Amino acid sequence: AQSVTQLDSHVSVSEGTPVLLRCNYSSSYSPSLFWYVQHPNKGLQLLLKYTSAATLVKGINGFEAEFKKSETSFHLTKPSAHMSDAAEYFCVVSDWGFGNEKLTFGTGTRLTIIP
Amino acid sequence: GAGVSQSPRYKVAKRGQDVALRCDPISGHVSLFWYQQALGQGPEFLTYFQNEAQLDKSGLPSDRFFAERPEGSVSTLKIQRTQQEDSAVYLCASSPPVGAYNEQFFGPGTRLTVL
Repeated sequence: AQSVTQLDSHVSVSEGTPVLLRCNYSSSYSPSLFWYVQHPNKGLQLLLKYTSAATLVKGINGFEAEFKKSETSFHLTKPSAHMSDAAEYFCVVSDWGFGNEKLTFGTGTRLTIIP
Repeated sequence: GAGVSQSPRYKVAKRGQDVALRCDPISGHVSLFWYQQALGQGPEFLTYFQNEAQLDKSGLPSDRFFAERPEGSVSTLKIQRTQQEDSAVYLCASSPPVGAYNEQFFGPGTRLTVL
């Protein structure tokens, strides 16, 4: 069975300061991990993905995440927040390489940017 | 290029009515997924097709939910005798041919409101 836990339901940061969104995962296999972003009234967009290559993954819009197997974590970071980053972020796990194609989403973290 | 499209974007149904939600995946994408996103929650897996074959329907909440993809392209999610608890956004996603990591591309969703 696979699952993810997003440790914060809501994060607020000031514009220009670092962003940290926390995620822990559970998987029976070596998982694939993703972060998706959902802006209001828009579809889900893939930010970045980890699929057993480099443990530090760079994504779009300056986001990156580090896979830490010992801590079962996949936290999302960005050095400097921008107003356009305000959205809902989902940590996602998949066992796709082991015959299970579905994505399992966390409950989401709402990121608010303070001007 | 065209992304995943869904119709209708909004649907209001009276309790007990049947509804049909349509998904047009990206051309050439073999896999198609349906997810249900309740208000304030992350998407939850409903069912998965590879071409016309429904390989996993473990997430369908009841036998009132039925999905099909008869020609391996367009898919329809049907809900019979709708209930208030069916109110949610229904998301469709497609992914490239088997063998690639399964980055799923999401449509904008259909927001179903059952009165």
